[in-house]
This record gives sequence, C-alpha cells and structure tokens, in this order.
Amino acid sequence: SAVISQKPSRDICQRGTSLTIQCQVDSQVTMMFWYRQQPGQSLTLIATANQGSEATYESGFVIDKFPISRPNLTFSTLTVSNMSPEDSSIYLCSAAVSYEQYFGPGTRLTVT
Amino acid sequence: LAKTTQPISMDSYEGQEVNITCSHNNIATNDYITWYQQFPSQGPRFIIQGYKTKVTNEVASLFIPADRKSSTLSLPRVSLSDTAVYYCLVVSDKLIFGTGTRLQVFP
Repeated sequence: SAVISQKPSRDICQRGTSLTIQCQVDSQVTMMFWYRQQPGQSLTLIATANQGSEATYESGFVIDKFPISRPNLTFSTLTVSNMSPEDSSIYLCSAAVSYEQYFGPGTRLTVT
Repeated sequence: LAKTTQPISMDSYEGQEVNITCSHNNIATNDYITWYQQFPSQGPRFIIQGYKTKVTNEVASLFIPADRKSSTLSLPRVSLSDTAVYYCLVVSDKLIFGTGTRLQVFP
C-alpha cells in the first residue's frame, strides 16, 4: 500500500497568481498521476508525472498551464499557473502500487 | 481506452445487497476491470479488481461474464456507511474515471 499526503489542503488565491501543490508518497513508486475534480463531478486526469522526464498530459491540459515536476520516486508537484476562477477545483495526486492506485486527500483550490 | 457506462444513482436500504452494473463494450484483451469508492472530501479508494469470472474480497464481489463487456459490483448487506460514489474503470496503464454511481443507503 501507499500513504499519500498533499500540501496545502486548501487555499484561496487571487486571479492571475500561481499555486504549487506538493504530493508526497511514503514509498517509492514508478507512476504518479494528477487529477482534477469539480464539486459533485467525476475525476479528470490531468497528466502522468514521469520521473526523470516530462509529464505526459491528457487532451485539454498543457504544460504551460499545469507544469509538473517529479524529481524522485516519492515526490511530485503540480503548479496551477495564471489562475482564473475556472481553475477552482479539487486537485488530487495518486500513485500506482502494483495494480492499485492510492489517492491523496486532495487540495481544494478557490480562485477569486 | 474503453469507455464505461453505469447508472447515475441507486438507492438501497440497510442490510440489502446492492448490485451495480457497468458496461464496457470496447474493453481490450489486456485490460482489467477495477472499482473505486469515493466519500465526500476524500480521494477514491480501491475496492476490487478482476479480469474474468468472479472475484471476492472482504468487502465486495465482482462478477465478469465471459465476453467481459460488462461487470457487476456486488455489495452484500450494505450499511449507511456505504453511501458513496462508486466508479467502474477499465484499466490499462492509467485510470480514466467515468461518471460513477451515487449510492444512497437509507436506514
């Protein structure tokens, strides 16, 4: 199994600023992912965070808006850049261990 | 990637068995079927995974027919704490979440 923590748990940010969300896993994992979830909606995969190479982004998400770092096998960051109110959402990271994915508690972001 | 279709919502009463069916017509040979549970303000939690026939663990059973175009998650004797959203996913190397089924358990 894996225990995943995220920081911050929530934040309120001004339009036009950027926020970096940290994700820490308690063990080394090969694959980490970032998701976005609007209240009451399903999860949307943003990107796969690859260790040692650029992240792989899903359709509709770009590196300039959501830069991702993966410096080692236990840590990743997601930055939400030049934020607008439409970026208000819950951002979750996850890690794959064997055939299971474990999720962090999420970061609730509000952009005003 | 195989798309999944499941009911948007279901209601049940405590002590009843709940069966949630998911269709995944375009499942590929190497894909597994996985179910996750999500409570409000929490990340999804793995429930069960299978490839074919029947899989059972301490919380649920998963039934997959021979053609693998559908699957059924069975929750025996649900309680109020089983009220959650349940997601059916077809897994290759990443998880793509569908709309999920919102299960409401009443006393």
